Amino acid sequence: NAGVMQNPRHLVRRRGQEARLRCSPMKGHSHVYWYRQLPEEGLKFMVYLQKENIIDESGMPKERFSAEFPKEGPSILRIQQVVRGDSAAYFCASSPPGLAGAEQYFGPGTRLTVT
Amino acid sequence: GENVEQHPSTLSVQEGDSAVIKCTYSDSASNYFPWYKQELGKRPQLIIDIRSNVGEKKDQRIAVTLNKTAKHFSLHITETQPEDSAVYFCAANADSGGSNYKLTFGKGTLLTVNP
Repeated sequence: NAGVMQNPRHLVRRRGQEARLRCSPMKGHSHVYWYRQLPEEGLKFMVYLQKENIIDESGMPKERFSAEFPKEGPSILRIQQVVRGDSAAYFCASSPPGLAGAEQYFGPGTRLTVT
Repeated sequence: GENVEQHPSTLSVQEGDSAVIKCTYSDSASNYFPWYKQELGKRPQLIIDIRSNVGEKKDQRIAVTLNKTAKHFSLHITETQPEDSAVYFCAANADSGGSNYKLTFGKGTLLTVNP
């Protein structure tokens, strides 16, 4: 059973460009979460999605950030018009349905650098 | 919303000694408390978790205790080894869109095990 997959692993963007980060959950997992981690800091919740639904986006900035988890294909975190402050590691996690839903398994992360 | 405090921020022990990391949480509705280990440049890995219906859980050299009345939980690592060196994060679940799957993380503890 493959783990959570994320790509790309490293992404360099110039200020003003768009960044697209992809996450494929573990097989059988129906919940996807995105977290941001700044150097030497903890993981900050951004958004929680199920297939075709955003359940909770309370941690995601209202401007420039969006997320989706379509019926087919990976979940995508999209950052428009990136700024230097967006440089961080972005981790995706997935969890199974049911009572075990809180058990989250993380992908390897995408390290975004904005130059 | 949920707030998780973690102490200490750094911990240095000699190989073979025990290490204890403590966390407190604010939301009495939280009922799931995982611990993650993150090595430098790697993904957070779930190492142990505890649900609110038990007070202690053990898995080989690691154990977690939970005091729901005081709203705190702790990670105990016995017979530490150099490969235990990493950043450890505690987390607690929180209400998220009607489910309780969102995790709020502590800021992490950098554990160094000296040979």
